[in-house]
Amino acid sequence: DIQMTQSPSSVSASVGDRVTITCRASQDISTWLAWYQQKPGKAPKLLIYGASSLQGGVPSRFSGSGSGTDFTLSISSLQPEDFATYYCQQGKSFPLTFGQGTKVGIK
Amino acid sequence: QVQLQESGPGLVKPSQTLSLTCTVSGGSITSGGYFWSWIRQYPGKGLEWIGNIHYRGSTYYNPSLKSRLTISLDTSKNQFSLKLSSVTAADTAVYYCARVGTVSAPFDIWGQGTMVTVSS
Repeated sequence: DIQMTQSPSSVSASVGDRVTITCRASQDISTWLAWYQQKPGKAPKLLIYGASSLQGGVPSRFSGSGSGTDFTLSISSLQPEDFATYYCQQGKSFPLTFGQGTKVGIK
Repeated sequence: QVQLQESGPGLVKPSQTLSLTCTVSGGSITSGGYFWSWIRQYPGKGLEWIGNIHYRGSTYYNPSLKSRLTISLDTSKNQFSLKLSSVTAADTAVYYCARVGTVSAPFDIWGQGTMVTVSS
């Protein structure tokens, strides 16, 4: 199985801050990577697919980069509605696997 | 737009079979060549992919669940279903159904999720 490791596990930030979350795959997954945002009691929401493609309707302050084994999700200017937990997920091979999540909290 | 909705019992006894259905609305389950998926989330956080089914019926299961798992499709009802046998407390989770997108296989549309508790 491909292991997905996110860092940090949690981060405290203020509105307007730039936040970067990293995700590392245990083997090469090319750009078969997605990022999700999840708020309490809600289903995850797709933000980024193909490592860097923005899903329709997602604000442009979200961006993704990387290929191979190392990936990042950046939020350029954190907004109040961005406080949530973020997950990465690989789609390269079965079983599909997720990172453990990164909680973005209010400083 | 396409929407997904899970349904099924919220409480299942140990050793019994967990059965859930996902109803797809706003589009046909057979159009677009999509895979359809089940994912679960344990209390506390972790997300686990359970399995996929293609509209033509081919399935891909998580090896950790394969011996207990059946995912099937009912195109006449625009639904797909999950059956997980011999459940234990470790199967307690929120179960989501989702559509798998065509570029790099992300889960692009999700149901709201349904909590299933395994307890006597």
